[in-house]
Amino acid sequence: EAGVAQSPRYKIIEKRQSVAFWCNPISGHATLYWYQQILGQGPKLLIQFQNNGVVDDSQLPKDRFSAERLKGVDSTLKIQPAKLEDSAVYLCASSLVASGRGETQYFGPGTRLLVL
Amino acid sequence: AQSVTQLDSQVPVFEEAPVELRCNYSSSVSVYLFWYVQYPNQGLQLLLKYLSGSTLVKGINGFEAEFNKSQTSFHLRKPSVHISDTAEYFCAVRDPNDYKLSFGAGTTVTVRA
Repeated sequence: EAGVAQSPRYKIIEKRQSVAFWCNPISGHATLYWYQQILGQGPKLLIQFQNNGVVDDSQLPKDRFSAERLKGVDSTLKIQPAKLEDSAVYLCASSLVASGRGETQYFGPGTRLLVL
Repeated sequence: AQSVTQLDSQVPVFEEAPVELRCNYSSSVSVYLFWYVQYPNQGLQLLLKYLSGSTLVKGINGFEAEFNKSQTSFHLRKPSVHISDTAEYFCAVRDPNDYKLSFGAGTTVTVRA
């Protein structure tokens, strides 16, 4: 079974530029998550999708971050404009459903972003 | 909101020695608990999880964890580590009525020959 795919793996941009990340979840997984992992910290949830609808985006900085999941499969996360503090690894994860029964989240390899 | 404290940021250990990684969470209600491992330049991989039942949970790669409700802890152990266990380990907690995973800051395990 193919895992969660993400691209690009690495990205270097200058502040105030824009950047986009792509995620393809495991086939059949209804729920997709984007996490931000700053160096030395654990992942922090940015946004969660159930199929193509947003379940929670309370920790997404909406003035500069946006995400979409058209057709309930692939997802893109965009930052515009980027700030220095956005340097982090952006992890995508997926799960079959978002029930409260300890559903396992499967993570992709992440996109490492460096903002100069 | 749940919070997780991983008490050790770095744990150096010799090959074939035992290791214990400590995790405490803040909650007075039932929770689901997870341990993930992150190898260099890779995503997170689930090691084990506790949902209910036996407090001793066995996971992949010889790891196990013990849930202690009175101490709100979920410590991870392995009796004999290998070089390949060098990685970062994350403890995470989830409210059964919520979907959010809250992660600790991670513990870096470095195994030396």
